Amino acid sequence: GAVVSQHPSWVICKSGTSVKIECRSLDFQATTMFWYRQFPKQSLMLMATSNEGSKATYEQGVEKDKFLINHASLTLSTLTVTSAHPEDSSFYICSAKQVVNTEAFFGQGTRLTVV
Amino acid sequence: AQSVTQPDIHITVSEGASLELRCNYSYGATPYLFWYVQSPGQGLQLLLKYFSGDTLVQGIKGFEAEFKRSQSSFNLRKPSVHWSDAAEYFCAVAGSAGNKLTFGGGTRVLVKP
Repeated sequence: GAVVSQHPSWVICKSGTSVKIECRSLDFQATTMFWYRQFPKQSLMLMATSNEGSKATYEQGVEKDKFLINHASLTLSTLTVTSAHPEDSSFYICSAKQVVNTEAFFGQGTRLTVV
Repeated sequence: AQSVTQPDIHITVSEGASLELRCNYSYGATPYLFWYVQSPGQGLQLLLKYFSGDTLVQGIKGFEAEFKRSQSSFNLRKPSVHWSDAAEYFCAVAGSAGNKLTFGGGTRVLVKP
């Protein structure tokens, strides 16, 4: 099956700093990647959709200047949380799909803790 | 807009007993439906999916789900639960196979010995 890898698996950062999370498709080229956020004991909420080589599409209520998404290649998308605050602490999960009408595959997630 | 409801927040079941998790969706056209399982602190593992065809879908780990269009439901079942099935289960819907997913609130399954 298709493998999607996220790095790091967990990260702790100080309030006010920025942190970058990588999402890689290891054995396929991902035309589209999705970024989700999951608060403790809650469901997953889509943050944004990124297509390779174009700007990400953010869901309503998601600050695009705070959550910077870059999908510069067909195997890598990055999510940068800028000027992180404790309320940004969450579990971030990406998924990636290859072409139209194929299912997306999930990474293992990144636990972000802002102190 | 599409939406998913999982009416049961928690379910406790004895090991060896059967399990059924409910999922109701709202979507204007034919939905693409998924069930995922998540262990604490882990990512999502796909249990099964329904795109078209046979409405009874077999998945991994002995799970199955039935798509009922008339009831807008996609309930997940397992005949005999194992202690390792204790986890959070999410139902999700998409407008196409690889489109963005809308998740239900999740159902936490506890397994009693």
